[in-house]
Amino acid sequence: EPEVTQTPSHQVTQMGQEVILRCVPISNHLYFYWYRQILGQKVEFLVSFYNNEISEKSEIFDDQFSVERPDGSNFTLKIRSTKLEDSAMYFCASTGGDTYGYTFGSGTRLTVV
Amino acid sequence: AQSVSQHNHHVILSEAASLELGCNYSYGGTVNLFWYVQYPGQHLQLLLKYFSGDPLVKGIKGFEAEFIKSKFSFNLRKPSVQWSDTAEYFCAVDDRRSGSARQLTFGSGTQLTVLP
Repeated sequence: EPEVTQTPSHQVTQMGQEVILRCVPISNHLYFYWYRQILGQKVEFLVSFYNNEISEKSEIFDDQFSVERPDGSNFTLKIRSTKLEDSAMYFCASTGGDTYGYTFGSGTRLTVV
Repeated sequence: AQSVSQHNHHVILSEAASLELGCNYSYGGTVNLFWYVQYPGQHLQLLLKYFSGDPLVKGIKGFEAEFIKSKFSFNLRKPSVQWSDTAEYFCAVDDRRSGSARQLTFGSGTQLTVLP
């Protein structure tokens, strides 16, 4: 069964550093997403991406965040200057369209120290 | 904005007990509905989904859910739980409003603990 792949599985970074979280969505999917889950809290929507541009973003997705699909396979989330409160599990997801379900990756646990 | 409510934050059951986890959502139009499970330290796995058709949906591992449109509900059920069902369960809704991008809105989750 096709999978969404995320790397790295765990990243530790110092406050103020830039991080890039990487995702390889399912190859024939069209819509891509980032969600995050702070420990013990619910899964929160960050951003959706379609046709090489952001479709929608949440209040969490401020100027510190950016997404990119640099080639035909990767989908990245960049956090420019990490803060302690950015520590969370970040999930990438993709879907093929309106009648498709969402497939989630296994997540990247980001720890900001 | 869509909101999803899961009223049970923590449910503790003995093995073989029956399970029902509540989920209510706010948007009254056409929706897609999902239940995801998250085992300790793992990622979200899809249990079942509803897009249209029969409102009683069967998923993996013996789970099922019933969509009741009039109640804006999509409750998850299992007749007999096992210790291995211990996990966090998330209800999620994707409303299909025209002109807006699809996105999932998650409930706050229900932690299920099954005692052996």
